[in-house]
Amino acid sequence: DVKVTQSSRYLVKRTGEKVFLECVQDMDHENMFWYRQDPGLGLRLIYFSYDVKMKEKGDIPEGYSVSREKKERFSLILESASTNQTSMYLCASSANSWGRNTEAFFGQGTRLTVV
Amino acid sequence: KQEVTQIPAALSVPEGENLVLNCSFTDSAIYNLQWFRQDPGKGLTSLLLIQSSQREQTSGRLNASLDKSSGRSTLYIAASQPGDSATYLCAVWNSGYALNFGKGTSLLVTP
Repeated sequence: DVKVTQSSRYLVKRTGEKVFLECVQDMDHENMFWYRQDPGLGLRLIYFSYDVKMKEKGDIPEGYSVSREKKERFSLILESASTNQTSMYLCASSANSWGRNTEAFFGQGTRLTVV
Repeated sequence: KQEVTQIPAALSVPEGENLVLNCSFTDSAIYNLQWFRQDPGKGLTSLLLIQSSQREQTSGRLNASLDKSSGRSTLYIAASQPGDSATYLCAVWNSGYALNFGKGTSLLVTP
């Protein structure tokens, strides 16, 4: 079974802190994604990566950065956490077959609260 | 930009009923469409993936159909059970590299 693992289920951080959310997948997938999910707004794409050291901005990249030093690991960084970044963060991965994405698999989510 | 809409936003049915969840999208040039289930406070579980060249996919009591030309997909759940209660999300892959999601249908199956 494909496994996408996020490092924490719940996190509480203080305003201004630098926060790292880690995601690891075990299926050698090329593509990895970070979404945030908020009531009434649905899932919104923050960043994605289609190869090691490659990254692309999604719809809401402001206040975030990412790192992909190894194929299996994709990290989301909140440079200076703010209360409006309180949210559920979801990581996903998928393979790239003939230029097209195949089935996406998600991690269990990280509920981040910034106080 | 691709817009994905799911109707209804919420649905309550008695156990045993067959039901249909709807998903529509504005740009028919999709690669794939994927249906997910999400339980409260949890991540997304993949249910079915339909390739753009396919018309439907089946898994157990679930059947998903795709009509690209009209920009629609349906998820059919047969003989619903209380354990089917969850939020169901539809998402499409376009020529970019990321899924575009609808806001989901919250399903409650009552015993």
